Amino acid sequence: DTGVSQDPRHKITKRGQNVTFRCDPISEHNRLYWYRQTLGQGPEFLTYFQNEAQLEKSRLLSDRFSAERPKGSFSTLEIQRTEQGDSAMYLCASSRDRETIYFGEGSWLTVV
Amino acid sequence: TQLLEQSPQFLSIQEGENLTVYCNSSSVFSSLQWYRQEPGEGPVLLVTVVTGGEVKKLKRLTFQFGDARKDSSLHITAAQPGDTGLYLCAGFGSNDYKLSFGAGTTVTVRA
Repeated sequence: DTGVSQDPRHKITKRGQNVTFRCDPISEHNRLYWYRQTLGQGPEFLTYFQNEAQLEKSRLLSDRFSAERPKGSFSTLEIQRTEQGDSAMYLCASSRDRETIYFGEGSWLTVV
Repeated sequence: TQLLEQSPQFLSIQEGENLTVYCNSSSVFSSLQWYRQEPGEGPVLLVTVVTGGEVKKLKRLTFQFGDARKDSSLHITAAQPGDTGLYLCAGFGSNDYKLSFGAGTTVTVRA
């Protein structure tokens, strides 16, 4: 499968713990996005990378959230000191151009 | 922030019926995209429309982009149970890196 790959698919963590999600984009896609989606809502933009440069961050991305894309390949999204409100599906997407974006299957986070 | 409003929020129809989902905004978009999402999965891109007035057909699905590039519609002819899912519209502004999504329309096609 050469689609966008996300890991883990599901994560249950206790409040206050740190979690990290990994995204492997489609090979040669230089653009990478992170989104968050809660039940009954469309995905909300979190951050955007072009190669290794993080070009835009949403206000939703508080100080507890950090994303990296070393070497412009895979990306990680870390959430520190998780809160119950962080429970959501975290989606990664990649593209070669602006118009055709491919999403991964998402990483479900449940904070208990 | 460019807001996309989708209507209706929920739609339940019988197999064989037609349906239309609408996506509206007060902002102009350089392009609009339609996605379909199944529970627990990521959105899957159906189509991208870029030209005002453009109509694209994908088998039983017809997508239209408004002349002013502020709205779009998705029409499904002779819906099948396999069409069930969450339909999302999304768009880029002229200088945006980010794709902004509507809240989605949940479509249920009953056999």
